[in-house]
Amino acid sequence: AQSVSQHNHHVILSEAASLELGCNYSYGGTVNLFWYVQYPGQHLQLLLKYFSGDPLVKGIKGFEAEFIKSKFSFNLRKPSVQWSDTAEYFCAVKWDGNKLVFGAGTILRVKS
Amino acid sequence: DAGVTQSPTHLIKTRGQQVTLRCSPKSGHDTVSWYQQALGQGPQFIFQYYEEEERQRGNFPDRFSGHQFPNYSSELNVNALLLGDSALYLCASSLFSLNTEAFFGQGTRLTVV
Repeated sequence: AQSVSQHNHHVILSEAASLELGCNYSYGGTVNLFWYVQYPGQHLQLLLKYFSGDPLVKGIKGFEAEFIKSKFSFNLRKPSVQWSDTAEYFCAVKWDGNKLVFGAGTILRVKS
Repeated sequence: DAGVTQSPTHLIKTRGQQVTLRCSPKSGHDTVSWYQQALGQGPQFIFQYYEEEERQRGNFPDRFSGHQFPNYSSELNVNALLLGDSALYLCASSLFSLNTEAFFGQGTRLTVV
């Protein structure tokens, strides 16, 4: 079955710390990969996406992610987090059609 | 340019009742997908509509049904509500293609009592 795993459910960081959130998916083939963010009280917003090409993709607000096909991974990174990055982050994968399979989410709290 | 809009934002229903949730997709999009997000979990795919037909379906019972109208808007219907149906219901719109992204609405918070 298609599945997406996010390694940490809760992460607490101090401002300026580096962030890496792990995401693995169950099997290969052609995939589209996404990271979505949900700020408190707001709707899901797209942070970044990978369709093909350069496996290092850059998104909004200084976030980037690296697609490693051999590891079925798509980890999210940010060199220096800000208090405003406090949110829940979801990794999502699309294998066929338009169906997105989401991970369980990682709640990030950044201490100021 | 309006994004994805959903109505109502909140809803309280009694067990056994039926509910209808509505979604208007982002301008230019032709595909609507519905997701259920229980507390503390990621969204779970319910089904997807394109050209007024259900194209894909997730692991949800037949109590969950939907419809897409010629203007691409969509409804999600849930019959015989159970307490476990309490969740945030998200609508996502996109183009019907592999290499596209989905845009999400604010969701409808359904509480079944």
